[in-house]
Amino acid sequence: DQQVKQNSPSLSVQEGRISILNCDYTNSMFDYFLWYKKYPAEGPTFLISISSIKDKNEDGRFTVFLNKSAKHLSLHIVPSQPGDSAVYFCAARLTGNQFYFGTGTSLTVIP
Amino acid sequence: EADIYQTPRYLVIGTGKKITLECSQTMGHDKMYWYQQDPGMELHLIHYSYGVNSTEKGDLSSESTVSRIRTEHFPLTLESARPSHTSQYLCASRPGQTNSPLHFGNGTRLTVT
Repeated sequence: DQQVKQNSPSLSVQEGRISILNCDYTNSMFDYFLWYKKYPAEGPTFLISISSIKDKNEDGRFTVFLNKSAKHLSLHIVPSQPGDSAVYFCAARLTGNQFYFGTGTSLTVIP
Repeated sequence: EADIYQTPRYLVIGTGKKITLECSQTMGHDKMYWYQQDPGMELHLIHYSYGVNSTEKGDLSSESTVSRIRTEHFPLTLESARPSHTSQYLCASRPGQTNSPLHFGNGTRLTVT
């Protein structure tokens, strides 16, 4: 059964507005969460991460929020730019070394 | 920027052939991983290694094998390719620190005819 879920396969946002990508997980033993961006024919590129002891981490235009009680993770991109158009994967790590990925959300930023 | 290299980028091969997908990293990372991904699906872990001479199978049942003779090199071998092996194969590495992300190569797109 899938432990990390991204229920929105796609999202379209106007340039300059906020993009919010969501991720839900089921395993309370996950202790580290990450977001990756992927362009076609390339490997995923690391964007931002958050430890389970925090609820927010910010890096430039990217902010990740973690709600442990709801087992929910979100990525905010402000302001969105056309170059942000890509597939975004959330990932979670079990204590140790195994990472689990969602199915991805395809973000399109409309100029 | 992480330096992890996969070759070939694309491979079309006939059923029954033996193939090896190469993965090398220049960062001295202890931990290396192979993932398989189909379009619209999550990445599935097929093999991982925590260091030289250490390899483990992941959650996804796979007919592939791996070796880790040198820290920087983690090749994946399919002894007899089948159409069901058609997929994208992604190699990743990370250092030993607790909260460090995976760094991915650009992947190998394998098509078995």
